[in-house]
Amino acid sequence: EAGVAQSPRYKIIEKRQSVAFWCNPISGHATLYWYQQILGQGPKLLIQFQNNGVVDDSQLPKDRFSAERLKGVDSTLKIQPAKLEDSAVYLCASSYRDRGLRYEQYFGPGTRLTVT
Amino acid sequence: LAKTTQPISMDSYEGQEVNITCSHNNIATNDYITWYQQFPSQGPRFIIQGYKTKVTNEVASLFIPADRKSSTLSLPRVSLSDTAVYYCLVGDISNQGGKLIFGQGTELSVKP
Repeated sequence: EAGVAQSPRYKIIEKRQSVAFWCNPISGHATLYWYQQILGQGPKLLIQFQNNGVVDDSQLPKDRFSAERLKGVDSTLKIQPAKLEDSAVYLCASSYRDRGLRYEQYFGPGTRLTVT
Repeated sequence: LAKTTQPISMDSYEGQEVNITCSHNNIATNDYITWYQQFPSQGPRFIIQGYKTKVTNEVASLFIPADRKSSTLSLPRVSLSDTAVYYCLVGDISNQGGKLIFGQGTELSVKP
């Protein structure tokens, strides 16, 4: 099956500019996540969607970050305006629950953002 | 959410068994233990998940003592390609979706 797709893979912008990332989860996965991973750290959850509703956005800097998941499938994450500390890899993941209660998140390759 | 503690880094040699222990003293009754592997420039990849005792799959084993306050990921006969960062996560997966918190992870370096 096709994995989680993300684009672009790399993006370089200047501070105060805006940027958007796109994610296409695995077909049939109801839950979608956006993570921010700063170099040398583990991924940090920014927002979690269940279908097209937000389950958790407690760590999303809402003054500059926004995310949406239209029709419960694709999702976009936007940063406006960007700051130097936003330089990181932005990971998208999706998940479903199988019959055996195993719960696994499938991650995309990420978008590496550099803010100069 | 339970906090996890694991070694920052470990070194091993090809062919050896590697055991990475994770401490999670505040684990809750509904929490499961999950391990992910991450290679450079890639997203994390699921390795194994368990609730208690021992779980084994084709790539690893997970040992969980009765008190569940720690867990050990065992990688048999590692190769150079097992060089990666390994994350231990603890969280309640009983509801749809689940929320998992990634720590800093253990950077495993396998040498020839």
